[in-house]
Amino acid sequence: DAGITQSPRYKITETGRQVTLMCHQTWSHSYMFWYRQDLGHGLRLIYYSAAADITDKGEVPDGYVVSRSKTENFPLTLESATRSQTSVYFCASSESGGWGNSPLHFGNGTRLTVT
Amino acid sequence: GEDVEQSLFLSVREGDSSVINCTYTDSSSTYLYWYKQEPGAGLQLLTYIFSNMDMKQDQRLTVLLNKKDKHLSLRIADTQTGDSAIYFCAESGSGNTGKLIFGQGTTLQVKP
Repeated sequence: DAGITQSPRYKITETGRQVTLMCHQTWSHSYMFWYRQDLGHGLRLIYYSAAADITDKGEVPDGYVVSRSKTENFPLTLESATRSQTSVYFCASSESGGWGNSPLHFGNGTRLTVT
Repeated sequence: GEDVEQSLFLSVREGDSSVINCTYTDSSSTYLYWYKQEPGAGLQLLTYIFSNMDMKQDQRLTVLLNKKDKHLSLRIADTQTGDSAIYFCAESGSGNTGKLIFGQGTTLQVKP
């Protein structure tokens, strides 16, 4: 089925390890986003990409790295995981940046626990 | 700065109307949105309103926008148990960046 897929669904890792969360969309949407969801904070934007090879920081980029070599993939890497990065991570895509009737399409999330 | 505030919890009886409120700070936001998140899933767009509109109705959903007070509300008529979810308000912010600013989310509990 077409859509946006995140993997893994759940991940437990140790402090200091590198972790990569995967995101794949089949719509050829230009825009892709990474959000984290934490109790009391709602969703906060980590990084976004307007097209392949174009990425930009969001509200909370520290400790994260992204790449977008292909339109359909937008992996998020935690270079050295910390406990404060325990969260639910959502990837989203959009045809035209989420404006108007071009909504963000969200994946089902990756629940990451850093011990 | 940009900030979106929502109350965290609302409980209603099945069949009643639900009203979820939101305040935002960026008066230059072109669009305001309501997203719904069901347990274990990502967010889905429910509806949106353009900033030059006061009201938008879509079946059981009514969105009211008060630009003067920077207040947005979502009314769900005849609330059903299937409406139980977290509802997020979001604003488009200034500039065509594609970055939405989300509120903390309101958990709607519908009691049978």
